[in-house]
Amino acid sequence: QKEVEQNSGPLSVPEGAIASLNCTYSDRGSQSFFWYRQYSGKSPELIMSIYSNGDKEDGRFTAQLNKASQYVSLLIRDSQPSDSATYLCAVRSSGTYKYIFGTGTRLKVLA
Amino acid sequence: DGGITQSPKYLFRKEGQNVTLSCEQNLNHDAMYWYRQDPGQGLRLIYYSQIVNDFQKGDIAEGYSVSREKKESFPLTVTSAQKNPTAFYLCASSISTGANYEQYFGPGTRLTVT
Repeated sequence: QKEVEQNSGPLSVPEGAIASLNCTYSDRGSQSFFWYRQYSGKSPELIMSIYSNGDKEDGRFTAQLNKASQYVSLLIRDSQPSDSATYLCAVRSSGTYKYIFGTGTRLKVLA
Repeated sequence: DGGITQSPKYLFRKEGQNVTLSCEQNLNHDAMYWYRQDPGQGLRLIYYSQIVNDFQKGDIAEGYSVSREKKESFPLTVTSAQKNPTAFYLCASSISTGANYEQYFGPGTRLTVT
């Protein structure tokens, strides 16, 4: 059974700090990795995608991928109260159309 | 304005009734998906479709049915055989070729069955 694991949290950080969210996956054939933000009662919103080892930066967000360790992370710099949400990690395996989602990490940014 | 639309936003039904949830996309994506999300849980795949007139069961297909007669549309029917239909239903689509595999979600339909 292919799995994606996330700490459910909540992860609490003060406003202006760096929030670090982590995700591990079991399928070594995975090729595509995604981070979604989901506000309470709303649908998931894609915020980052990463396909190769290393870092990818987009504004205050940095995704980090380490395929050897089967680990992907999301860093949020200068965290704002509006970043408070559940962050879902998703993985798509090579040669499939299926995406496997983690159960999400709830982030709380304290003003 | 490109995107995925789902209707209705809220749906209430009596137990024993079938209900169909609508999903339409104008992103020209080949693949479409239906997920179910229960409180405090992750997304579970119900059905997915890679091309028109073809679809595959996901992890929790029992009690659900779909059709894919047009590229833009992927309706989901929740049948009376589904034991616990009350949930948040999410439709998604993705490009299925090239290097971009990003998946995007519609706003969701919250179904309550009593």
